Amino acid sequence: GAVVSQHPSWVICKSGTSVKIECRSLDFQATTMFWYRQFPKQSLMLMATSNEGSKATYEQGVEKDKFLINHASLTLSTLTVTSAHPEDSSFYICSAINGRKGSNQPQHFGDGTRLSIL
Amino acid sequence: DAKTTQPNSMESNEEEPVHLPCNHSTISGTDYIHWYRQLPSQGPEYVIHGLTSNVNNRMASLAIAEDRKSSTLILHRATLRDAAVYYCILRDGARGNKLVFGAGTILRVKS
Repeated sequence: GAVVSQHPSWVICKSGTSVKIECRSLDFQATTMFWYRQFPKQSLMLMATSNEGSKATYEQGVEKDKFLINHASLTLSTLTVTSAHPEDSSFYICSAINGRKGSNQPQHFGDGTRLSIL
Repeated sequence: DAKTTQPNSMESNEEEPVHLPCNHSTISGTDYIHWYRQLPSQGPEYVIHGLTSNVNNRMASLAIAEDRKSSTLILHRATLRDAAVYYCILRDGARGNKLVFGAGTILRVKS
């Protein structure tokens, strides 16, 4: 149980393109979803927290107009990297929590999306 | 967020137990101790978490010091598939579900 599916697994696109990444909870309702990015040889950095039906909360230094997050349903959150540039190339990872099971539930992670901007 | 300190790397032999330490001397009363691991090119995977008492599950055991200033993740018999980066994270149960990842411990398993 508690499977999170992330799509696509990898994407290569030209500079200036906008890229959408989907994160789905397959067998539970995700009241909260998180988006992280990870550069090579580094740890995960939290970008934003999104609660279903409300605006995402972004971490300090993360541009909300650059990284658009939508959490329209209890099983789907999307991250759109707008007008992507080579410095946005990274490994993007989502996670989800079933908050209705109580507090302090573990986060369940997707397998990540490797984004390469040429 | 309270910080954790872990060794940069550790090495283990296959089929032997592994004890991964974590220091968290500034832990607060509402902080839970969470462990995740990340295999190469994958998202992290939840391993175990606890508050005060030792915890066991099918993947590992978590031993928490009486003063809660340190903990140890125990893999009872390491396999090659356990080679990963292991993250020890404090999560404040009173302040939401955010996880702040540190550098973690790179575990290498030798056959």
